[in-house]
Amino acid sequence: GQQVMQIPQYQHVQEGEDFTTYCNSSTTLSNIQWYKQRPGGHPVFLIQLVKSGEVKKQKRLTFQFGEAKKNSSLHITATQTTDVGTYFCAGWAGGGNKLTFGTGTQLKVEL
Amino acid sequence: DTGVSQNPRHKITKRGQNVTFRCDPISEHNRLYWYRQTLGQGPEFLTYFQNEAQLEKSRLLSDRFSAERPKGSFSTLEIQRTEQGDSAMYLCASAVGTVAYEQYFGPGTRLTVT
Repeated sequence: GQQVMQIPQYQHVQEGEDFTTYCNSSTTLSNIQWYKQRPGGHPVFLIQLVKSGEVKKQKRLTFQFGEAKKNSSLHITATQTTDVGTYFCAGWAGGGNKLTFGTGTQLKVEL
Repeated sequence: DTGVSQNPRHKITKRGQNVTFRCDPISEHNRLYWYRQTLGQGPEFLTYFQNEAQLEKSRLLSDRFSAERPKGSFSTLEIQRTEQGDSAMYLCASAVGTVAYEQYFGPGTRLTVT
């Protein structure tokens, strides 16, 4: 079955440092979504990427979808304490009715 | 608050008992999903409804699990003869769309089986 892996599993940064998480799928994806889950909370949708090589920005967050549509990345510039949480990528395979979530990257930001 | 509600928020039960959870999606959303999440893991797909039809069910889901969505509105997830391995957060999400489905998650029901 489809597997979606993320690295790193954990990341501790000092406030102001950059952060990147990488997502890799075992199969080609029709599109990919990113979610953020705060400690004790539920996943919250951040963005969706559809096109090969697509790059989208949301303020300090930059999302990229790979050319082969099997990998993606999320980069946060100048992290803030409000960025704390676990970031999940989630992919739809073509024709599927289910979203497969990645293993997640837990981000901790220290002052 | 995404507008998706789940009840109860917490459930403690003894092994062997049956439990039922409810999810009320955003009213105009025709798609409804159930996921299970354990500590340190991403949400794991359980099943999916489009309106009242259950269109996909994970192969990981044993026959002790059943879900319904009568009338295409709220949904229930029942676990029969609970086992300690069923302890997890059960998340419901709803979505609407024709091409891509942004999922709106509820707060979840945390199940503890003792």
